[in-house]
Amino acid sequence: DIQMTQSPSSVSASVGDRVTITCRASQGIDNYLAWYQQKPGKAPKLLIYGASSLQSGVPSRFSGRGSGTNFTLTISSLQPEDFATYFCQQANSFPLTFGGGTKVDIK
Amino acid sequence: DVQLVESGGGLVQPGGSLRLSCAASGFTFSDCGMNWVRQAPGKGLEWLSYIAITGTTIFYTDSVKGRFTISRDNAKNSLYLQMNNLRDEDTAVYYCARDPDCGGNSGWFDPWGQGTLVTVS
Repeated sequence: DIQMTQSPSSVSASVGDRVTITCRASQGIDNYLAWYQQKPGKAPKLLIYGASSLQSGVPSRFSGRGSGTNFTLTISSLQPEDFATYFCQQANSFPLTFGGGTKVDIK
Repeated sequence: DVQLVESGGGLVQPGGSLRLSCAASGFTFSDCGMNWVRQAPGKGLEWLSYIAITGTTIFYTDSVKGRFTISRDNAKNSLYLQMNNLRDEDTAVYYCARDPDCGGNSGWFDPWGQGTLVTVS
């Protein structure tokens, strides 16, 4: 199974800050990586797929980069509605696996 | 609007069974692969199972293989998860989620249902 490791597990930031979250795969997954945002009590929402493609309706302040084993999600200017938990997920092979999550909270 | 609505969760004793349902609307259900994903209280996300459009291709994660069975009824636009021999560690919110690459298999999940809580105790 492919293990996905996210860092940091939590980050405190202010509105307007640039935030970068890292996801590392235990083996190469090309660009078969997605990012999700989850708010408390809600289902996850797809933000980025194919490592860097923005899902329709997602603000352009979100961006994804990477290929192989190392990936990043960047929020260029944090907005109040962005405080949430973010998960990466590999889609290279079954079983599909998620990172442990990164909680972005208010500093 | 594309919508997924889960039902069937509840309280069950260890060793018991439960059948979850997911009603789909707003898209051609029979064109899309479907998944079940769960989230234990305060924990991360765990993918459980995938079923292709005709139901002939199915995958499970090891923790539920042999205990859970995914199925679908394209005529009823519905996805199911039969859960047998439930354990304390199966307590979680269970989500159904569509593979957005209808006609293919992207491995992503979009959208997700609102989830249904299963408590094993």
